[in-house]
Amino acid sequence: NAGVTQTPKFRVLKTGQSMTLLCAQDMNHEYMYWYRQDPGMGLRLIHYSVGEGTTAKGEVPDGYNVSRLKKQNFLLGLESAAPSQTSVYFCASTSPPGLRTYEQYFGPGTRLTVT
Amino acid sequence: AQRVTQPEKLLSVFKGAPVELKCNYSYSGSPELFWYVQYSRQRLQLLLRHISRESIKGFTADLNKGETSFHLKKPFAQEEDSAMYYCALRPSSGSARQLTFGSGTQLTVLP
Repeated sequence: NAGVTQTPKFRVLKTGQSMTLLCAQDMNHEYMYWYRQDPGMGLRLIHYSVGEGTTAKGEVPDGYNVSRLKKQNFLLGLESAAPSQTSVYFCASTSPPGLRTYEQYFGPGTRLTVT
Repeated sequence: AQRVTQPEKLLSVFKGAPVELKCNYSYSGSPELFWYVQYSRQRLQLLLRHISRESIKGFTADLNKGETSFHLKKPFAQEEDSAMYYCALRPSSGSARQLTFGSGTQLTVLP
C-alpha cells in the first residue's frame, strides 16, 4: 500500500515551458488536493477534486490546470511556467469522512524550480 | 472566509523545556482544528485533531473558542520533536470543506 505518490520528485524548468505533475493514490479516496508550499506562506490550496471527473479552484489557481480522469490520479499542469511558480508541490487525498476520522494523506512532494 | 494565524515562524527551546506553538483562527462557525507535522525529509502527517481530545507523542492542544485559539503544547520537549508544525482549520459547512493551513512554525529543540 503505497499511499499517495507523486511524480516527479524534482524538476527544473525554463520560463515558458510546460509540465505535468502526477499524483496517484491507492486508498480509494474520493477527494484529492494540490497545494503549494512556500516559505512563510504555509500550504496554499491550488485546485481540488471531490470525485472522478470533477475539479474546482482553490485559493491560488492562476497559472495551473488540473484533471481527474481516473479516481486514483490527479494531474496538475503548468502550461507556461513562470519563476513565481518555483515551489514545493504537495498532493493530498481523503475520503469524505465522519467527524472523528477526517485526515488528509499527503504525498512526498515535488520540488519545482523555474529559471 | 476562514483564516489561521501562526505568529511564530521560528521557535527554539532546550531539550526538557516546555514548548507551546501558538495558533489563532478566525471563522464564524464551529470549526474543526488540526495540527499537522512535517519532520525533515518526510511528508506532512496528521499529529492530532481537536475533536479526538487525544495526546500524541506527548503533545496536546485545547480548542479555546473564546480566544479562538488552538495552541499546541508539550511539557518536556525532545530533540526528535524538531520539525515544521502547521495548524489547520476545516470549516463546518461548504461543499468540500477543505483545510486552511497556517504559515507554519519551525520548531528546533536544542540539546
